[in-house]
Amino acid sequence: GAGVSQSPRYKVAKRGQDVALRCDPISGHVSLFWYQQALGQGPEFLTYFQNEAQLDKSGLPSDRFFAERPEGSVSTLKIQRTQQEDSAVYLCASSGTSGRDRDTQYFGPGTRLTVL
Amino acid sequence: AQSVTQLDSQVPVFEEAPVELRCNYSSSVSVYLFWYVQYPNQGLQLLLKYLSGSTLVKGINGFEAEFNKSQTSFHLRKPSVHISDTAEYFCAVWNTGNQFYFGTGTSLTVIP
Repeated sequence: GAGVSQSPRYKVAKRGQDVALRCDPISGHVSLFWYQQALGQGPEFLTYFQNEAQLDKSGLPSDRFFAERPEGSVSTLKIQRTQQEDSAVYLCASSGTSGRDRDTQYFGPGTRLTVL
Repeated sequence: AQSVTQLDSQVPVFEEAPVELRCNYSSSVSVYLFWYVQYPNQGLQLLLKYLSGSTLVKGINGFEAEFNKSQTSFHLRKPSVHISDTAEYFCAVWNTGNQFYFGTGTSLTVIP
C-alpha cells in the first residue's frame, strides 16, 4: 500500500472494556513496531515483529497488553480491561529490508485511545 | 542504553527567520539518527536521517541536520521558516536493534 494505515483513528472505551487496534503496514515490509505516545511525550516502544514472529515485547506495560501478527502482515494490538492510564495515541510503524525502506521506520497516523 | 535529549520543549520563531532545534544522544555504539515531524492529529513523517557518510544531511521541506560524533549531537536547522513548519519535531536514535528511542519533542511555532 501507499503507507501505513491504522484503524480506528479514534477509540473511546469505558474503563474495563477490551479494545483492539489494527495496523496495516506498507506492503512487503517485514518489520512492524508498536509505540505508545502519551500526551506531550515522544513515542515509547511497545513491541516489535519480524514477519509473524514477535521478537521483542519488552515495552508492553502490563500483561493486559497483547499484540499479534499471525500472517506476517496486518497486526493487532489488544488491550484488556482498559484503565485510564492507557489513554494515549498508539502508533504503528513498519520497515523494509532494501532500498530506501531499509533502516527507516514509516509511521501510521495512529489511534487515539481515550479511556473514560 | 540509549537516550535522546531535546533541549528545548518549545521554540517560537518569526516567519522567514532561521531556526535550530537541538538534539543530543547518548550511546555506546554506532547509531542511526532521525528527525521526524508530527502535524496535529497526524502520524510521524520522516524529515531526514543519518546512516553513514556525509555528516550534513539534507531532508524535505528545506530542513538539514548535522551529525557531530564528538558532541553526540544531531541538530536540525532551517535557514528560513514558514508558517506551515509549525509542528512537533522529534529526534530519534536507532542502534539497529529493535527499538527506536525518541526524544520528548520540540514544539516549533512560527509567528507571522
